[in-house]
Amino acid sequence: EPEVTQTPSHQVTQMGQEVILRCVPISNHLYFYWYRQILGQKVEFLVSFYNNEISEKSEIFDDQFSVERPDGSNFTLKIRSTKLEDSAMYFCASSEGGLGSYNSPLHFGNGTRLTVT
Amino acid sequence: AQSVAQPEDQVNVAEGNPLTVKCTYSVSGNPYLFWYVQYPNRGLQFLLKYITGDNLVKGSYGFEAEFNKSQTSFHLKKPSALVSDSALYFCAVRDKGWGSGNTGKLIFGQGTTLQVKP
Repeated sequence: EPEVTQTPSHQVTQMGQEVILRCVPISNHLYFYWYRQILGQKVEFLVSFYNNEISEKSEIFDDQFSVERPDGSNFTLKIRSTKLEDSAMYFCASSEGGLGSYNSPLHFGNGTRLTVT
Repeated sequence: AQSVAQPEDQVNVAEGNPLTVKCTYSVSGNPYLFWYVQYPNRGLQFLLKYITGDNLVKGSYGFEAEFNKSQTSFHLKKPSALVSDSALYFCAVRDKGWGSGNTGKLIFGQGTTLQVKP
């Protein structure tokens, strides 16, 4: 069964540094998402992406964050200048597009644990 | 605004006993509801969904959920719990939104830890 893959599984960085989290969504999916989860708690929406542009973003997704689909397979989340409070598990997800797409579940990767020191 | 609530932080059940993990929702229109499970250091795995039709939906690993419109609930159930079912469970609603390009993000509840003891 196809799956969403994320790299790296764990990233440690110093405060103020830039990080890029990488994701390969399922190949025929059209909608892409980033979520984060702090300390095994609530899963929070960050941003959704469709047709090479941001569709929706949350209040968490401020100017320090950006997303990109640089080629036909990768989907990246960049944090320009990391803060201690950015430490969290970041999940990428994808889902089918088109008519009836809301019936389809989101498929999640295993996440990248980001630790900011 | 659409939301889901999971009133219990933790549910404890003995192996072999039935389990229920509760979820209530608040949406405008017909809800698209989902359950996910998260094992330690893993991503969220899809268990089941309710879109329309039969109020009792069956999913993976023997789980099922009952949609109740009058009580705005979507409780997750399993007739006989296994120790391996111990995990974090999330209820979610699809944000159907409006307009072209709306991707329908999932809005999650706060999660319920299920502990099944031998």
